[in-house]
Amino acid sequence: DAGVTQSPTHLIKTRGQHVTLRCSPISGHKSVSWYQQVLGQGPQFIFQYYEKEERGRGNFPDRFSARQFPNYSSELNVNALLLGDSALYLCASSLSVGTDTQYFGPGTRLTVL
Amino acid sequence: GIQVEQSPPDLILQEGANSTLRCNFSDSVNNLQWFHQNPWGQLINLFYIPSGTKQNGRLSATTVATERYSLLYISSSQTTDSGVYFCAVIPFQGGSEKLVFGKGMKLTVNP
Repeated sequence: DAGVTQSPTHLIKTRGQHVTLRCSPISGHKSVSWYQQVLGQGPQFIFQYYEKEERGRGNFPDRFSARQFPNYSSELNVNALLLGDSALYLCASSLSVGTDTQYFGPGTRLTVL
Repeated sequence: GIQVEQSPPDLILQEGANSTLRCNFSDSVNNLQWFHQNPWGQLINLFYIPSGTKQNGRLSATTVATERYSLLYISSSQTTDSGVYFCAVIPFQGGSEKLVFGKGMKLTVNP
């Protein structure tokens, strides 16, 4: 079975632009979470979705939004990009929420110039 | 919110040596996972271990939930063990679904 997949793998944008990142969970997994990892730090939680509903939101501005589709894939959108949004964006999937193991995708490396 | 502290922050070993990584957390947890992040950024699951002891080859982990710490043991280290190791927890308090990560521990294994 395929693991968590993310696209694109790398992305370069300029300040003020908008970006959409995509994630497909492991087959059968219904929960998707998004994390941001800046260089030298641990990943920081952005959003969690379960059964297409938002279950949690981290301390990120409203420029960040996400959604989950009926097939459980997910998109993360970031508007009005800032230089500080440059990071590795990681998607994780799990069967359910809370006590289940989370499995991470390879990430999308976003560079904002 | 919950605090997750990892030690040591950096470790350099010769191939074949053993090591112990420690993760302390400040509150009760529902979930604790250990990850290895490879040079390309992929977070690889090592253990899901909210309590007890598990072993997988040269790696083993122990979590003592009542004392709020977890240990990751690496025996007979290899150069491929190099990378950053993260401990991450989901707090026990209701409604929190996010993994809270420590700052990581950078391991370098020299040949």
